[in-house]
Amino acid sequence: GAGVSQSPSNKVTEKGKDVELRCDPISGHTALYWYRQSLGQGLEFLIYFQGNSAPDKSGLPSDRFSAERTGGSVSTLTIQRTQQEDSAVYLCASSPELYSDTQYFGPGTRLTVL
Amino acid sequence: AQSVTQLDSQVPVFEEAPVELRCNYSSSVSVYLFWYVQYPNQGLQLLLKYLSGSTLVKGINGFEAEFNKSQTSFHLRKPSVHISDTAEYFCAAINTDKLIFGTGTRLQVFP
Repeated sequence: GAGVSQSPSNKVTEKGKDVELRCDPISGHTALYWYRQSLGQGLEFLIYFQGNSAPDKSGLPSDRFSAERTGGSVSTLTIQRTQQEDSAVYLCASSPELYSDTQYFGPGTRLTVL
Repeated sequence: AQSVTQLDSQVPVFEEAPVELRCNYSSSVSVYLFWYVQYPNQGLQLLLKYLSGSTLVKGINGFEAEFNKSQTSFHLRKPSVHISDTAEYFCAAINTDKLIFGTGTRLQVFP
């Protein structure tokens, strides 16, 4: 079966613009996670979903970041008024259940804010 | 604070030599431990995991890791590396339901 997919693979935007990043998890996986990988911060957790709800938003770096998941499947991470420090690779992962041990990662979206 | 520490940011090694990538975790995180590998321009791939049971865990591509509770370590080893093992390696631990990652170790294998 297909793995986790993310789109776009690369996104270049101007400072101040809004961007949307998409994640399509493995079919049947109820848990979905967003991580960010940047040079200065390494890999850091952003947010996770169990079904359509997001009980833990503690990792979102600012109120410019938001995420939603509809239909228990596809998730969108939105960054408003992008800043240069938002430049990073945004990784999505999914797992069969929230407390499953293994998370399966997508290839990531490389975001560059000019 | 809960943390996972990878002591070496880079490890250069010649092909066919053994390698050990070090990982230590804080005792406050769960002892569900993982090693992920990231090849250039690719996502993360699970190498192996420790949940319970035998402290020696074997993974893909000939890698293995040993969980050592007394030393709070989970070092990754391979007896003989290949050029194709050149990648970034991340140690991680489950904290409730999210992964806490180490800063990564870049393994560079030279011919």
